[in-house]
Amino acid sequence: GQQLNQSPQSMFIQEGEDVSMNCTSSSIFNTWLWYKQDPGEGPVLLIALYKAGELTSNGRLTAQFGITRKDSFLNISASIPSDVGIYFCAGLGNYNQGGKLIFGQGTELSVKP
Amino acid sequence: KAGVTQTPRYLIKTRGQQVTLSCSPISGHRSVSWYQQTPGQGLQFLFEYFSETQRNKGNFPGRFSGRQFSNSRSEMNVSTLELGDSALYLCASSFVWDGDNEQFFGPGTRLTVL
Repeated sequence: GQQLNQSPQSMFIQEGEDVSMNCTSSSIFNTWLWYKQDPGEGPVLLIALYKAGELTSNGRLTAQFGITRKDSFLNISASIPSDVGIYFCAGLGNYNQGGKLIFGQGTELSVKP
Repeated sequence: KAGVTQTPRYLIKTRGQQVTLSCSPISGHRSVSWYQQTPGQGLQFLFEYFSETQRNKGNFPGRFSGRQFSNSRSEMNVSTLELGDSALYLCASSFVWDGDNEQFFGPGTRLTVL
């Protein structure tokens, strides 16, 4: 099925380091969403972006909606052990385009204390 | 406010059987979407319901079906189960489906087909 290109696939970092991950698409999206998923649980919404160029923060997390509407990035500053998990980007079109969430493949983050 | 709930959390079935999964959205949310998550294919959209009507459908065979009730609760059914149907099935609810609303996920139902 259709997917976004999310990179990197995995990251191993030291506690306190900053993290950056991004998603690109050949399609335009009206909304970008970033989720975090812990093992055995459903994805939890971290940040929602609605406008091209929008930069939004949620605590140590910052995400941006690319100007072309075909990409987005997520930054995590000063990582801590509880940041461990899989992060997904998701693009949302409008109803006429199907209106379904298209997900990236995920970035698995490991944080070493 | 309670989150999205899914039942059961775990299910084991054998090939050829059928299964029904249930999802209760966040109170006030009228849209429910279903996704299948597997290690190989990631998160794939199954279908979306709004006001008891299926409005969007992903690329899954007709063995996968769903419905939504007047209280916005939704069920999905998989008939004639295959080994490849083993997956985490997630439902997500949103307030109004206009393409610009966040979707909130439940914990999922882990289906194992033997």
